This record gives sequence, structure tokens and C-alpha cells, in this order.
Amino acid sequence: GAVVSQHPSRVICKSGTSVKIECRSLDFQATTMFWYRQFPKQSLMLMATSNEGSKATYEQGVEKDKFLINHASLTLSTLTVTSAHPEDSSFYICSAPHVRAGGGYTFGSGTRLTVV
Amino acid sequence: GENVEQHPSTLSVQEGDSAVIKCTYSDSASNYFPWYKQELGKGPQLIIDIRSNVGEKKDQRIAVTLNKTAKHFSLHITETQPEDSAVYFCAATEEGADGLTFGKGTHLIIQP
Repeated sequence: GAVVSQHPSRVICKSGTSVKIECRSLDFQATTMFWYRQFPKQSLMLMATSNEGSKATYEQGVEKDKFLINHASLTLSTLTVTSAHPEDSSFYICSAPHVRAGGGYTFGSGTRLTVV
Repeated sequence: GENVEQHPSTLSVQEGDSAVIKCTYSDSASNYFPWYKQELGKGPQLIIDIRSNVGEKKDQRIAVTLNKTAKHFSLHITETQPEDSAVYFCAATEEGADGLTFGKGTHLIIQP
């Protein structure tokens, strides 16, 4: 139980284009979704928190106009990287807390974004 | 905000020996401390977690200890096997309120 499905797993795009990443909670309602970014051989860094029905909150240094987050329903959160540049190439991972026996956080499988 | 330090960055042990990875945290409000294993190109997989109301938790070859006073927690893997080779991350948070703050990771290498 408590599965988060993340798509796409890999995407290559040209500089200047936009890319959308989707995360769906399959068997629970995710009122909150955390978005992380992981550069090669580095740790996961929290980028932003999305909440269903309200604006996302962004961590210091993360451009909200570049990383658009939408949490349209209790099972879907999306991250759109706008006007992508090569330095945006990274591994993007979503995670949702689940309020049930055991609690904890469930992670998506990640999206490898390469901007050429 | 929370700050998590993790050591060592690389750990090489002989197969069958034990491995210990240590983390410290700074925010006394943190009450949830998970450990993740990450293989190349994949998302992190939870291997064990501990909450601040207990001091130790064990699951077969894996154990985690927590010292709230000192603000540190450790991962112990016994009888290591080749498939234990991976990058391990510790994390801390106030559960449900915030996202996770991760340590920088430990590359565990099991030597045959």
C-alpha cells in the first residue's frame, strides 16, 4: 500500500522548452506532496511543498516562476520545469506523507531530466 | 531549519562484517528518523525508521539507535552481503509537518 507513481521516469528536452512531471498517489489521498531534486552523487534537497487546494511553498533559493507546482486533486501533484536549461538537468523525486498505520513518507521512483 | 550531518561518506567492509553509519541532527522538534537505501537511477527505498519515543529498533540484520539528548542516530547492518552495496541516506523531520532533511549519504561497499 501507499504507492506514489511518478512519470515520466526519463525525459530529454531542448533548452528553452518546458517539461511536466506527474506524481499520483495510487491508493491513498495525498493532501501534501514534497518535491526534491538530486544532482549526481549528491543528496536529495527539498525544493517545494505542494498542498491540495492552495499555493505551493518553496524552499529558499528555488525559483517559483521556474518550477511551477500544481496540486489539482488529492491524488495528483505536478511539477513543471519552465524554460529549461542544462543546469536544470537533475533527478527529480516526489514524496507524500501518509497518515496510516506506520506513517512515514512514500517516494516516487524519480524522473531523470536531461536538458540539451 | 533542520541540519543533518552524516558520516562516513564512504564505507568499505568485508562481506559478513558489520557496518555502522552515523548521523546527527540539529532541530529538537524532529521526531522521525528514517534511513533510505538508494540504488543508481532509482528513488530512495525506506529500510528502517525510528521515532523519538523509542531508543532502538531492529529488523533482522538492520537496526537503528536514537539518542535524543545528543541528537544523533545510527544505522547498524550486521552480516553484510554484496547486495547491501548502495548509497544510504539518513533523514530527519517533524513528521507530517515538514519534508525530510537528508544527510549527504554514505556509499557502502561490501568487499567479497
